[in-house]
Amino acid sequence: DQQVKQNSPSLSVQEGRISILNCDYTNSMFDYFLWYKKYPAEGPTFLISISSIKDKNEDGRFTVFLNKSAKHLSLHIVPSQPGDSAVYFCAAALLNAGNMLTFGGGTRLMVKP
Amino acid sequence: DAGITQSPRHKVTETGTPVTLRCHQTENHRYMYWYRQDPGHGLRLIHYSYGVKDTDKGEVSDGYSVSRSKTEDFLLTLESATSSQTSVYFCAISGERSPGELFFGEGSRLTVL
Repeated sequence: DQQVKQNSPSLSVQEGRISILNCDYTNSMFDYFLWYKKYPAEGPTFLISISSIKDKNEDGRFTVFLNKSAKHLSLHIVPSQPGDSAVYFCAAALLNAGNMLTFGGGTRLMVKP
Repeated sequence: DAGITQSPRHKVTETGTPVTLRCHQTENHRYMYWYRQDPGHGLRLIHYSYGVKDTDKGEVSDGYSVSRSKTEDFLLTLESATSSQTSVYFCAISGERSPGELFFGEGSRLTVL
């Protein structure tokens, strides 16, 4: 039973356009939600996060939106660049449980020049 | 960047042999984690540690054991490797940019024949 799901295994976007990556979760107790980016042969790297008490967080080209009633979050990348091509994982954290993260299965983003 | 190294980076072994993966950090972080990454499953927590000699199980701990005799080292052992343990293993420590953030090592690719 996956508590965090990314239903799109891949996404292809033209350079300069918006990329929207989606994530759904089932556990309403999650405190924080995070997005990670992963290049081949490297470890995942932290990208952006949002507290469960917020509905939006922005950092440069990256914005994360949280809809708690729908148990849904999304990552918007505007404008998309070829260097953004990577696998993106969403993750959810229970901060009073050792900072453990539950990850989604990942979405491979391809940004075409 | 946090100092976290994993060894070996690549290993091929045969079914039934013991395998130990090492994670070394230079940041004196209390929490350390072992995850495995498999296609479609994202990253799943195997074990984590919250201090020297203090460890606990994660989501997929069967067939794995861990030890932490020093703050800087966290070892993951497969007592008798099976083909289902072929995976990429990532060690992580807590990050500092966000609650829930983890900083990952570069990964250890294990193939069990």
